[in-house]
Amino acid sequence: QTVVTQEPSFSVSPGGTVTLTCGLSSGSVSTSYYPSWYQQTPGQAPRTLIYGTKIRSSGVPDRFSGSILGNKAALTITGAQTDDESDYYCVLYMGSGLWVFGGGTKLTVL
Amino acid sequence: EVQLVESGGGLVQPGGSLRLSCAASGFTFSIHAMNWVRQAPGKGLEWVSYIGNSDTTISYADSVKGRFTISRDNAKNSLYLQMNSLTDEDTAVYYCAGGRAPYNWFDPWGQGTLVTVSS
Repeated sequence: QTVVTQEPSFSVSPGGTVTLTCGLSSGSVSTSYYPSWYQQTPGQAPRTLIYGTKIRSSGVPDRFSGSILGNKAALTITGAQTDDESDYYCVLYMGSGLWVFGGGTKLTVL
Repeated sequence: EVQLVESGGGLVQPGGSLRLSCAASGFTFSIHAMNWVRQAPGKGLEWVSYIGNSDTTISYADSVKGRFTISRDNAKNSLYLQMNSLTDEDTAVYYCAGGRAPYNWFDPWGQGTLVTVSS
């Protein structure tokens, strides 16, 4: 059973920088897993932020960036704004038409 | 405007069945793969099922395999999810989401439809 790991919660000050990570219970995340990131506020559908590890979706501000850091995928928010307070989910493609979402990170901006 | 609109959710008893629909507009539905993703109340997102653009490729999460069936009608720009043998663990908001290539990502997303399994 593959488990995708994310920090349950994170806090950042307005204007600060935060890096959320997306790992595997066993093994390392690489670009071959095509990590993508989604933002969700309560009661709303997810919004695509990053796909293919580091490609920003249309309309996403450039303060959001994706990368591989060590053995994990990472989402970095540079210059966090209060509007960025949301849940963030990563998903990894496992091959054979199978995907696994991480448990999500609840980001607080204060 | 690109839009996905889910319907068919509601209250169903354990062991019952339900069929969800997702109507697509604003993009060429027939060339896109599609997915169902669900979210139990207060929980995270869970990928449920994938169907290729011509429904020759289909996959399911282990949690629904053998109980759920994904299908599509490209002539009607519609995606479906037939859900059988429902349990309370299937209670969730069900989202349809486009399957994008390359890079295997999800976009666009519908607003979701709530399925509640309860007696």
